[in-house]
Amino acid sequence: QKEVEQNSGPLSVPEGAIASLNCTYSDRGSQSFFWYRQYSGKSPELIMFIYSNGDKEDGRFTAQLNKASQYVSLLIRDSQPSDSATYLCAVRRDYKLSFGAGTTVTVRA
Amino acid sequence: DVKVTQSSRYLVKRTGEKVFLECVQDMDHENMFWYRQDPGLGLRLIYFSYDVKMKEKGDIPEGYSVSREKKERFSLILESASTNQTSMYLCASSTNRGGDYGYTFGSGTRLTVV
Repeated sequence: QKEVEQNSGPLSVPEGAIASLNCTYSDRGSQSFFWYRQYSGKSPELIMFIYSNGDKEDGRFTAQLNKASQYVSLLIRDSQPSDSATYLCAVRRDYKLSFGAGTTVTVRA
Repeated sequence: DVKVTQSSRYLVKRTGEKVFLECVQDMDHENMFWYRQDPGLGLRLIYFSYDVKMKEKGDIPEGYSVSREKKERFSLILESASTNQTSMYLCASSTNRGGDYGYTFGSGTRLTVV
């Protein structure tokens, strides 16, 4: 079982719709959870992190965490063509982050 | 602005060569990391360091070594490059201050071994 699992996609959504990305993790000792966005040919950039159960909102992005289910999600509201990228879920244990393989999102105009 | 700088964007090396990948951060971060990224496999941790002269093996350390002589610089060394080390290499740093431990990544080095 992989430490961090994501649906690889691609996930195609129309402009203005909500994109929903899911991530599960296996280590119950994981301490905090991150979503990174990676454009093709570029390095990952941090969108947001969450460490408590529930929702955390930042602009058009909402991260949701359910530690009992070992599940993290990212919602992108009012999706824009500029949101087309690969989204990486990462979980932290001590100093290290473990990454999922990423979900590719395409926002069609 | 926070910066992690990797010395080369693209590198082409021959099989058997010793290869050095350099990473420098200007944020006074304690922790530095080297990952490789391959299609379908995601980011895999090679080595990390949480202090000067300290190093820890990650998930795939075979064929690699590292050096951290100064806090701001973390070097990845391929002792004898092989074609299966062709990959995108990403350096990252993080701090124990502030609480989130999120990484800042460098722009990456795409290494091709021929």
